[in-house]
Amino acid sequence: DSGVTQTPKHLITATGQRVTLRCSPRSGDLSVYWYQQSLDQGLQFLIHYYNGEERAKGNILERFSAQQFPDLHSELNLSSLELGDSALYFCASSVESAGHTGELFFGEGSRLTVL
Amino acid sequence: AQKITQTQPGMFVQEKEAVTLDCTYDTSDPSYGLFWYKQPSSGEMIFLIYQGSYDQQNATEGRYSLNFQKARKSANLVISASQLGDSAMYFCAMREPETGANNLFFGTGTRLTVIP
Repeated sequence: DSGVTQTPKHLITATGQRVTLRCSPRSGDLSVYWYQQSLDQGLQFLIHYYNGEERAKGNILERFSAQQFPDLHSELNLSSLELGDSALYFCASSVESAGHTGELFFGEGSRLTVL
Repeated sequence: AQKITQTQPGMFVQEKEAVTLDCTYDTSDPSYGLFWYKQPSSGEMIFLIYQGSYDQQNATEGRYSLNFQKARKSANLVISASQLGDSAMYFCAMREPETGANNLFFGTGTRLTVIP
């Protein structure tokens, strides 16, 4: 158990809909990362938040947005869903302190299926 | 250009034998970190081992060791005494803190199958 909690574990929805994925980082971790894992694109970095502020953006579509709340949990919002958005969405957290190796601790993922 | 390249889509190894999973990387930063993760069929990503670019010795963690060849920009994972539970996808990843980004860039992975 990595200590990172993601909900829901599975989600099935229709094209055009909107969903929200939730992540609670490990206790004490200020950083939250979101990744998308699809069969044809591998693990793609979407966005990074540190202590409530956006730090870096990766290949995140404009239809997707995220935020990190004061209690450090994060939500990834996916809207106007398309079939190609079907994927496993990972949240990961990290210590981000000086001298730390910086490994990411991943949640179990949220598997999104768009029909 | 790909930051991380894993050229072996699939590998087979006999139980109790050792296996090497290849990883090459591309960076111009002098300071970087290299990571290996395991993804079993259940889907979770499990951190295995880390190697810093300035580390003088190859990293080891139990049956996992990292064969770090800096000049060749390779960071191969060696799994000794393979077990059936080692069957999984293995991902190599890199972090480039000098770029200001702390996220990890992942390779495409290698699927390891351990044969009884």
